[in-house]
Amino acid sequence: AQTVTQSQPEMSVQEAETVTLSCTYDTSESDYYLFWYKQPPSRQMILVIRQEAYKQQNATENRFSVNFQKAAKSFSLKISDSQLGDAAMYFCAYLSNTGNQFYFGTGTSLTVIP
Amino acid sequence: EPEVTQTPSHQVTQMGQEVILRCVPISNHLYFYWYRQILGQKVEFLVSFYNNEISEKSEIFDDQFSVERPDGSNFTLKIRSTKLEDSAMYFCASSEGLTRADTQYFGPGTRLTVL
Repeated sequence: AQTVTQSQPEMSVQEAETVTLSCTYDTSESDYYLFWYKQPPSRQMILVIRQEAYKQQNATENRFSVNFQKAAKSFSLKISDSQLGDAAMYFCAYLSNTGNQFYFGTGTSLTVIP
Repeated sequence: EPEVTQTPSHQVTQMGQEVILRCVPISNHLYFYWYRQILGQKVEFLVSFYNNEISEKSEIFDDQFSVERPDGSNFTLKIRSTKLEDSAMYFCASSEGLTRADTQYFGPGTRLTVL
């Protein structure tokens, strides 16, 4: 099974600053999908951003962008101009091209300091 | 914006009892999923469901678990004889199913406490 590793259990950032959350994964597949989900205290996971492995261009969604390094199997999330509402647990997830199940990392708890 | 909903938000049960967790996926979605998250641990896949049958399941999804789509809107997870270790947050998700890698939309979860 694929494994997803988030090595930072907790991170903090000053409001308006930039923070990068790390994610690495292990796979033998060449085609797959990667996601970042945000889980605020209300507990409902919300999609932040997704990346198709066949695309070389890094995905961007407003203040959120990824640094996808396929050879290194790395998929980090950068949050620019951090806002108080960004405080949440962030999960990195892997989806195979041949299955439906997500493989999640253990999450990174992000605190935004006013 | 359409959302996945789940009921109840919190379920407390005695060990050995049966529980049914309910989910209403987004209406035009075709794939449905159950995940669980034991406190402090990662979210784990349980099962995916498509066209009224299980399409994929994990090792966790043993004979005590079952899923059903009893009508056109609900998607349920039944645990026949709960164990203490079944205590977890259970998340339902759905996706359009138009492509294999459709984004999964998650519900708010049901917290199951087994005493």
